[in-house]
Amino acid sequence: QSALTQPASVSGSPGQSITISCTGTSSDVGGYNYVSWYQQHPGKAPKLMIYGVTNRPSGVSNRFSGSKSGNTASLTISGLQAEDEADYYCSSFRGTYTLLFGGGTKLTVL
Amino acid sequence: EVQLVESGGGLVQPGGSLTLSCAASGFTFSNCAMSWVRQAPGKGLQWVSGFGDTAGRSYYADSVKGRFTISRDDSRNTLYLQMNSLRDEDTAIYYCAKRFNSAWDFEYWGQGALVIVSS
Repeated sequence: QSALTQPASVSGSPGQSITISCTGTSSDVGGYNYVSWYQQHPGKAPKLMIYGVTNRPSGVSNRFSGSKSGNTASLTISGLQAEDEADYYCSSFRGTYTLLFGGGTKLTVL
Repeated sequence: EVQLVESGGGLVQPGGSLTLSCAASGFTFSNCAMSWVRQAPGKGLQWVSGFGDTAGRSYYADSVKGRFTISRDDSRNTLYLQMNSLRDEDTAIYYCAKRFNSAWDFEYWGQGALVIVSS
């Protein structure tokens, strides 16, 4: 199963907004609302930031938001902070009862 | 407090076998959808296998189908991953993860177990 496509890196200055895209197909991202986003700091386990395309678990800052259009999902982080610097991964259910992850995006806060 | 603690990782030769365990606590483990996700050194996340929300149904990534077997012992609150015919490319940190809103999103993760496949 091919991974979902994410940009390798994005960057932004503190206070700015950035968006990370996650492109799949109609068999995964476009076909189901089981898209999630994870944040991973070096040496740590991933942390769930967004589930069900647009929903935030309790405790996750409202600076993080998710959306989807067609076969592409997006994670937007507004009001960038230094602590947001991390790797971000999207995931999506695929109709063959498997889960795909994106290749990951390294966010650098300048 | 939810805790997931993996064990059983180590060094194994290509073609060998290894079984990982994930001891769960702090929630009702019985029939709770759980998955294994791995991460090769310096690489991204890859879902390996999991139990769905339908009791007893398990699923596998194509790359491990026929070689890995996921199982669980609800009386011991433990998830397992039996790995056979191991390959170099199976080298990774293996995380167990607990479902959140569906079987396909994970709020709680263990600390990971490192599996190294090398001669």
